[in-house]
Amino acid sequence: GDSVTQTEGQVTVSESKSLIINCTYSATSIAYPNLFWYVRYPGEGLQLLLKVITAGQKGSSRGFEATYNKETTSFHLQKASVQESDSAVYYCALTNTGANTGKLTFGHGTILRVHP
Amino acid sequence: EAAVTQSPRNKVTVTGGNVTLSCRQTNSHNYMYWYRQDTGHGLRLIHYSYGAGNLQIGDVPDGYKATRTTQEDFFLLLELASPSQTSLYFCASTQGTEVFFGKGTRLTVV
Repeated sequence: GDSVTQTEGQVTVSESKSLIINCTYSATSIAYPNLFWYVRYPGEGLQLLLKVITAGQKGSSRGFEATYNKETTSFHLQKASVQESDSAVYYCALTNTGANTGKLTFGHGTILRVHP
Repeated sequence: EAAVTQSPRNKVTVTGGNVTLSCRQTNSHNYMYWYRQDTGHGLRLIHYSYGAGNLQIGDVPDGYKATRTTQEDFFLLLELASPSQTSLYFCASTQGTEVFFGKGTRLTVV
């Protein structure tokens, strides 16, 4: 089946420093799945942070960016300068193309703590 | 703004108890989903639905039933709750490439 791997369970970064959260995927149901980063702030539901549905393209939002790399099957999340308000749980996910796009396969999530 | 509302937000029940988690979406979406989220597992799909009266089995369905009574309402039923079902439950809806999630229901089975 499909799977998503996030190697870091928790990341702690100082404010204004750079961030990278690693994500690799394995998709057996489809060659080029849709790729997503979701974020969950404390007390809130998951929100879509960014998505890329075309291999080789880059998505960006709120200063975060991720590039869909089909050669390395990776979709790492990066930010050049984090803020304390970025503290949240970040989930990498994939889905098949087609209508049933809510059938997501998630990584385990990475807790980001940004300290001043 | 798309909206998915879950209730209750928190629930404590005893082992063997009967629990119903509710989800309502006002997005006119056909697809609705129930996920559970546990530390070290990310979100896992329990059940989903294509529309009123439709039910599909997800990846971790054991111990759960679901019912989609209308396009708006999707319920998750635990008829004999067990401690292993202590989790954070998320409902979601979609009609395209963006999925909208509720804020979650934290269920504790003691």
